[in-house]
Amino acid sequence: EAGVTQFPSHSVIEKGQTVTLRCDPISGHDNLYWYRRVMGKEIKFLLHFVKESKQDESGMPNNRFLAERTGGTYSTLKVQPAELEDSGVYFCASGQGPREQYFGPGTRLTVT
Amino acid sequence: TQLLEQSPQFLSIQEGENLTVYCNSSSVFSSLQWYRQEPGEGPVLLVTVVTGGEVKKLKRLTFQFGDARKDSSLHITAAQPGDTGLYLCADPYSGGGADGLTFGKGTHLIIQP
Repeated sequence: EAGVTQFPSHSVIEKGQTVTLRCDPISGHDNLYWYRRVMGKEIKFLLHFVKESKQDESGMPNNRFLAERTGGTYSTLKVQPAELEDSGVYFCASGQGPREQYFGPGTRLTVT
Repeated sequence: TQLLEQSPQFLSIQEGENLTVYCNSSSVFSSLQWYRQEPGEGPVLLVTVVTGGEVKKLKRLTFQFGDARKDSSLHITAAQPGDTGLYLCADPYSGGGADGLTFGKGTHLIIQP
């Protein structure tokens, strides 16, 4: 069974540009989570989808971040416009509940 | 907001030695999870502990949940190079209304051959 996949694995963009990260969860998983780890800090929760609905977006840092989950399948996280402090590793996870989360390999975003 | 403190931050030991890493919180955990993360990969769940005083074993790894559910430890016996990685503890129900896991910063473990 395929695991959680994320694309791209790396992205380097300039400040002010737009980047879209994609996550494909494990098939059948209704719950999809986004997390971010910035250098020197712990992994932090960003938001949670149940199917196509945003269940909790309390961790989203500001309105430059927009997450969508079309049709309850894959999800995208768009950062527009990107700032230097957005650099970090963005992880996606899917699962059947909060205690069961399978993580993807992450997208390393560098904003220069 | 609950904070999970992990110690030590870094640990480098020789193959065959034993080690223990810790996860502490000022608040009571509802339950606690341990993950291992390798370079270029996401965290992988090792174990979930729920009951105070609970001990779980996974081959050479022993996980213990404190009686008061405010701390946990991971003990590795006869460490091997394959145990190298970042060990993270996480609370699935950290309160404050957020649905996601609350992680500690992790312990970077290096097992030298």
